Amino acid sequence: ETGVTQTPRHLVMGMTNKKSLKCEQHLGHNAMYWYKQSAKKPLELMFVYNFKEQTENNSVPSRFSPECPNSSHLFLHLHTLQPEDSALYLCASSQDLGAGPSKAQYFGPGTRLLVL
Amino acid sequence: AQSVTQLDSHVSVSEGTPVLLRCNYSSSYSPSLFWYVQHPNKGLQLLLKYTSAATLVKGINGFEAEFKKSETSFHLTKPSAHMSDAAEYFCVVSGYNTDKLIFGTGTRLQVFP
Repeated sequence: ETGVTQTPRHLVMGMTNKKSLKCEQHLGHNAMYWYKQSAKKPLELMFVYNFKEQTENNSVPSRFSPECPNSSHLFLHLHTLQPEDSALYLCASSQDLGAGPSKAQYFGPGTRLLVL
Repeated sequence: AQSVTQLDSHVSVSEGTPVLLRCNYSSSYSPSLFWYVQHPNKGLQLLLKYTSAATLVKGINGFEAEFKKSETSFHLTKPSAHMSDAAEYFCVVSGYNTDKLIFGTGTRLQVFP
């Protein structure tokens, strides 16, 4: 579980706040992902980065802003969120975006976000 | 297009009895398949992954899954359940030429003493 770390583990913020979620992977992977997990809904892919370049934005509102300064670090900047954005935000990494077993993604423990 | 269906939203077993979590997939190409487990308030942990080398895949914690192309299934099994196996399990499929993983809706496993 220490392969992918996320901070903070829990976050409570108001709708006017600005905060950032941090993810770090120690696996030497090239691809990183942000997912949103809401109660009673399937896991939602938000963003994909490969070699620091964003390759996927899954129609995510602009109040979520990702940043990937290098292959080991991924941030999710949050501003003017809505209560419905409350969820568990999961970061993952994979060796690359190729086919087969290299697609296996390794997840962090998540940040439990509550927007008041 | 790829999709995955987990046939049971909840499964309950007694400790020491076998576990069967069912998953069917749909894929236009030879799929990559995975099972993940999520314990309460934790992230997802990779249990096992399918490679074309062997249809029976062994994972961590005594779990295994068998790829059956004729049935388009990838069911997860364990001979004897432990209390610590209680969690949510996700079957995942990925196509040949896409970087997206398609997650099933999950199966919650309860283990009774």
